[in-house]
Amino acid sequence: ETGVTQSPTHLIKTRGQQVTLRCSSQSGHNTVSWYQQALGQGPQFIFQYYREEENGRGNFPPRFSGLQFPNYSSELNVNALELDDSALYLCASSLSQAFSYEQYFGPGTRLTVT
Amino acid sequence: QKEVEQNSGPLSVPEGAIASLNCTYSDRGSQSFFWYRQYSGKSPELIMFIYSNGDKEDGRFTAQLNKASQYVSLLIRDSQPSDSATYLCAVNVNFGNEKLTFGTGTRLTIIP
Repeated sequence: ETGVTQSPTHLIKTRGQQVTLRCSSQSGHNTVSWYQQALGQGPQFIFQYYREEENGRGNFPPRFSGLQFPNYSSELNVNALELDDSALYLCASSLSQAFSYEQYFGPGTRLTVT
Repeated sequence: QKEVEQNSGPLSVPEGAIASLNCTYSDRGSQSFFWYRQYSGKSPELIMFIYSNGDKEDGRFTAQLNKASQYVSLLIRDSQPSDSATYLCAVNVNFGNEKLTFGTGTRLTIIP
């Protein structure tokens, strides 16, 4: 167990709808990264938040947005859902400090868009 | 050329033997390297990380890094059926908490 939690576990949405996924980071960690993992693929980086600011973004459109709160928990919001957004969404928690770059994943949220 | 490449497998290894998983990366500026294990239907679990050239051992696992040749490998000694999973190689270009770039993973099966 990494101490990283995500909710909900599973979600079914219709194309065009909006969704919010939530993540609580491991105690003591100040950085949260979000990844999308399609079936049979490795996780793809969406963005990272450090101290409530976006700290890097992958090749995802603006309808993917996020937030980090003062307690370091985070949300991923996806607007105008498309069928291709169906995937496992992973949150990874880490501590941003010298010589500590490891990221620990939560259990993920399985999103199905119909 | 993909940024991080792995042989997708499946790789079948007899129980008790050594499993060898390989990964190559394209960005010479890559600084930190990670191996994750992912069971079917579960999220990735960090099992090894390495930042310097050479070998790093942790129990039955050994990570090997060769920056000149741009490859990183994972050896699993005394393979157990519970080691059957997909192994993901991940690379971070910066010494900072920015993105991990993953390979597509190698599916490993340990045969009893």
